[in-house]
Amino acid sequence: EAQVTQNPRYLITVTGKKLTVTCSQNMNHEYMSWYRQDPGLGLRQIYYSMNVEVTDKGDVPEGYKVSRKEKRNFPLILESPSPNQTSLYFCASSFRGPANSFFGQGTRLTVV
Amino acid sequence: QKEVEQDPGPLSVPEGAIVSLNCTYSNSAFQYFMWYRQYSRKGPELLMYTYSSGNKEDGRFTAQVDKSSKYISLFIRDSQPSDSATYLCAMSDDSNYQLIWGAGTKLIIKP
Repeated sequence: EAQVTQNPRYLITVTGKKLTVTCSQNMNHEYMSWYRQDPGLGLRQIYYSMNVEVTDKGDVPEGYKVSRKEKRNFPLILESPSPNQTSLYFCASSFRGPANSFFGQGTRLTVV
Repeated sequence: QKEVEQDPGPLSVPEGAIVSLNCTYSNSAFQYFMWYRQYSRKGPELLMYTYSSGNKEDGRFTAQVDKSSKYISLFIRDSQPSDSATYLCAMSDDSNYQLIWGAGTKLIIKP
């Protein structure tokens, strides 16, 4: 089954404790991206990757890091999480470019 | 002014009605137009994808793009309670590597 898999689905952590949210796709897609979704602010892109070893900032990259060492994986790293990073996070992938993106089921992160 | 404007709703209609959802945009370079459906606590799901202008139909769903007016629409015929969700429009151009999103319209279909 074609899918984008995120882990974990739910996470509560404390300020400053490094964490990684994993994202994996099985569709051989070149393009992958991370979004956060907050009430009243909609979907905002954090980072995107056009292909392996190619990443670029989206609209809200501050406080986040990503890497793309393999085509299927695109982890999101929060080096020192803060409460304003409490949000619902989505990973997405598409064949080439952002059109027709497929989304994962989301990771609900709470930073206390 | 936002690049993509979408009425957040909520829009409440009776079961069986025809629903019209709309987005307006300001960037004439947009070429790719998408509609996503998002159920509560779930990831967005691609419903319709259109390149450039014209109409596209898929079952009860029809997407229209009017580039001269910078206006896109999603029509849902014979609406069902299971169509209750938030509908997001998204678009991009040939040179941009990002999707520009509308705020989403919350749709409620009353049985």
